[in-house]
Amino acid sequence: DSGVTQTPKHLITATGQRVTLRCSPRSGDLSVYWYQQSLDQGLQFLIQYYNGEERAKGNILERFSAQQFPDLHSELNLSSLELGDSALYFCASSGRQGATGELFFGEGSRLTVL
Amino acid sequence: GNSVTQMEGPVTLSEEAFLTINCTYTATGYPSLFWYVQYPGEGLQLLLKATKADDKGSNKGFEATYRKETTSFHLEKGSVQVSDSAVYFCALRLIQGAQKLVFGQGTRLTINP
Repeated sequence: DSGVTQTPKHLITATGQRVTLRCSPRSGDLSVYWYQQSLDQGLQFLIQYYNGEERAKGNILERFSAQQFPDLHSELNLSSLELGDSALYFCASSGRQGATGELFFGEGSRLTVL
Repeated sequence: GNSVTQMEGPVTLSEEAFLTINCTYTATGYPSLFWYVQYPGEGLQLLLKATKADDKGSNKGFEATYRKETTSFHLEKGSVQVSDSAVYFCALRLIQGAQKLVFGQGTRLTINP
């Protein structure tokens, strides 16, 4: 158990809809990262938050947004969903070791868009 | 840019065979290097890491050495087991900037009894 909790584990929805994925980081971790894992593109970095503020952006579509709340949990919002958004979405958190430390990953939220 | 290139998969071996999964990287600066493993239906787990040149990471019989001169971090295991069947990801993490993990494309390993 990594200590990172993601909900829901599975989600099936239709094109054009909006969903919210939730992540609770390990206790005490200030950084949260979101990744998308699809069959053809591997693991793509989406966005990072540190203590409530956006720290870095990767290949995140404009239809997607995220935030980190004062209690450090984070939400990833996906809107106007398309078939190609079907993927496994991972959240990860990291502690205070900086770049020598590992990221701890949740089990992921599997999104299926029909 | 910063990137990681892994050996193409899938890789299929017999139990007790020797395993090598190649990983090379391109990075500005001096990254930390990681191998993560993803078992079927699960998230990513850290397998091992190395934070500076010539460091050797090891765990569960797996080893990898940080080779700065060849920008490589190849994963090896002397005798694989069926339970090692999984997808293996090589990754780097930069000291500067976002400090995000940059992953290779993953290598699917299947071990047959």
